[in-house]
Amino acid sequence: GENVEQHPSTLSVQEGDSAVIKCTYSDSASNYFPWYKQELGKGPQLIIDIRSNVGEKKDQRIAVTLNKTAKHFSLHITETQPEDSAVYFCAASSDTGRRALTFGSGTRLQVQP
Amino acid sequence: GAVVSQHPSWVICKSGTSVKIECRSLDFQATTMFWYRQFPKQSLMLMATSNEGSKATYEQGVEKDKFLINHASLTLSTLTVTSAHPEDSSFYICSARRASGGSTDTQYFGPGTRLTVL
Repeated sequence: GENVEQHPSTLSVQEGDSAVIKCTYSDSASNYFPWYKQELGKGPQLIIDIRSNVGEKKDQRIAVTLNKTAKHFSLHITETQPEDSAVYFCAASSDTGRRALTFGSGTRLQVQP
Repeated sequence: GAVVSQHPSWVICKSGTSVKIECRSLDFQATTMFWYRQFPKQSLMLMATSNEGSKATYEQGVEKDKFLINHASLTLSTLTVTSAHPEDSSFYICSARRASGGSTDTQYFGPGTRLTVL
């Protein structure tokens, strides 16, 4: 089955700096890669996703890049704000079978004001 | 759009009792819903995949007789934790995937249900 590894487990940045979170996946059949933000006591919220036919996607301060050859994808947050502080999860799935998401272990991002 | 609700948001029960958690897609139809469990400071672990009108598919190590899943309609799935014990205390989260009308890859998550078994 799929295995997704995520780094770093914690990340502390100053407000206004950029933050980068990286994930690798093992199953070459995976073709859908979403990123979720989870605040304490709440369910995950989709912030951006990318499919394997695209190398990069951007939405305002958030961007995701995908390298299919190396099987890794990254989340980039620019101009970080204190409200960006949360746990971020990457995930991967394929469009065959149950199409279930396999999650990374999560990154706790702390943006210092 | 794409709102998923869960009820209750939290529940405290005595050991040995059963607890039912509802997951509803409010503004879209979902052929597939997923149930996850999340322990403190850990990632989401998939418990089962629920398809409307058919039996759920459970992940390895998840007891199907303990965690009963029913997906009776395209907007409702329920998870019943039977004979709950303290080790079942966790944060249970459901997600739903659209049947059509947009990305059918995207999973939309509910707000979660905090279960505490005394």
